[in-house]
Amino acid sequence: AQRVTQPEKLLSVFKGAPVELKCNYSYSGSPELFWYVQYSRQRLQLLLRHISRESIKGFTADLNKGETSFHLKKPFAQEEDSAMYYCALSGDGGATNKLIFGTGTLLAVQP
Amino acid sequence: NAGVTQTPKFQVLKTGQSMTLQCAQDMNHEYMSWYRQDPGMGLRLIHYSVGAGITDQGEVPNGYNVSRSTTEDFPLRLLSAAPSQTSVYFCASTVGGGSTYEQYFGPGTRLTVT
Repeated sequence: AQRVTQPEKLLSVFKGAPVELKCNYSYSGSPELFWYVQYSRQRLQLLLRHISRESIKGFTADLNKGETSFHLKKPFAQEEDSAMYYCALSGDGGATNKLIFGTGTLLAVQP
Repeated sequence: NAGVTQTPKFQVLKTGQSMTLQCAQDMNHEYMSWYRQDPGMGLRLIHYSVGAGITDQGEVPNGYNVSRSTTEDFPLRLLSAAPSQTSVYFCASTVGGGSTYEQYFGPGTRLTVT
């Protein structure tokens, strides 16, 4: 079965500290993984996708097929990074719109 | 472009009432989806559509109906509201594939069923 697991409901760090939001997935084929972010009072928006191998707002995520993980990392957290982060999986190569989301991790960056 | 719009923003229903959540997009996207967001459960797919006239069930379709008569609109109907349908509902439209794949979300509708 396709599944995305985010083990941490809440991650609290101090400004300037490194951040790692964990995401593990279960999928038998070749998945496409995404990170979406929801800032307070804003709509959900795409942060980054693994296929693009991009860095957005200082965040990066590497797909590790051996560990079936797609952890989100940032070396130095900023207060404006505080938001809800969702890891998501597309099991059909992005051919349609069926995304499977994790339960989300609330990142709180303390001053 | 307005992107993805949803109405209403908030709604309170009594058990057994019916209503329609509206969703529209002006980006000419073929794919649209409805999700519900519940604490501790993330977003779960209710129904989706790959084009006008074509809809299919997602993970949690029971109690909801959809139709897609135009590319722009994708309404979600609650036939007989139940307290278990208290949630925040998000509509999304999808563009591209592969490295350009992205879902655009609406602002959400917060529904309370008493």
